[in-house]
Amino acid sequence: AQKITQTQPGMFVQEKEAVTLDCTYDTSDPSYGLFWYKQPSSGEMIFLIYQGSYDQQNATEGRYSLNFQKARKSANLVISASQLGDSAMYFCAMRELNSGGSNYKLTFGKGTLLTVNP
Amino acid sequence: DAGVTQSPTHLIKTRGQQVTLRCSPKSGHDTVSWYQQALGQGPQFIFQYYEEEERQRGNFPDRFSGHQFPNYSSELNVNALLLGDSALYLCASSYNWASKETQYFGPGTRLLVL
Repeated sequence: AQKITQTQPGMFVQEKEAVTLDCTYDTSDPSYGLFWYKQPSSGEMIFLIYQGSYDQQNATEGRYSLNFQKARKSANLVISASQLGDSAMYFCAMRELNSGGSNYKLTFGKGTLLTVNP
Repeated sequence: DAGVTQSPTHLIKTRGQQVTLRCSPKSGHDTVSWYQQALGQGPQFIFQYYEEEERQRGNFPDRFSGHQFPNYSSELNVNALLLGDSALYLCASSYNWASKETQYFGPGTRLLVL
């Protein structure tokens, strides 16, 4: 079973509007971290936002916010006031913090291609 | 503050050859991870180095090996290249003792195997 599922291969949004990119995850580990990265066509993965499984509040970073619904195992990324430069691939990733903290890898979804239209 | 750097940016090799990719971590970071990203896919974890040791490995064959130097920089070596090794190879660095241990990625090396 996939650990990270991004069901939207592509999304379109008008400039200045908000958009939500979906991410669901699967883990039995009670302690984990969720990350969102942006990958422009140049290839570099740019870190956007982090949510820990025990964090009480949803994470926010500027125009980015994470809609974390733990019971539903979803961690959707909300981008407000979209800009043309937001056009890119967006990846959701998870790090499961095994007891003893022996897992360090990030597991990624397949990504969502966001296109911002002028 | 320099970010993660990788070299070379692009590489073309033929089947059976060997390749070495290089990575310098972000200033202050002591941990380096390597990922392979095939076209249209998310990155897949290859391994992570900390204190010059491989401390975790993903599901990759022994043809993939690495090294971390005392200055925390790292190399990824791939032997006996296959066509399927064509991908974007991403290096990520992090600070082991940071609470979130967020991994910051470099621009990647695009490897084409012919």
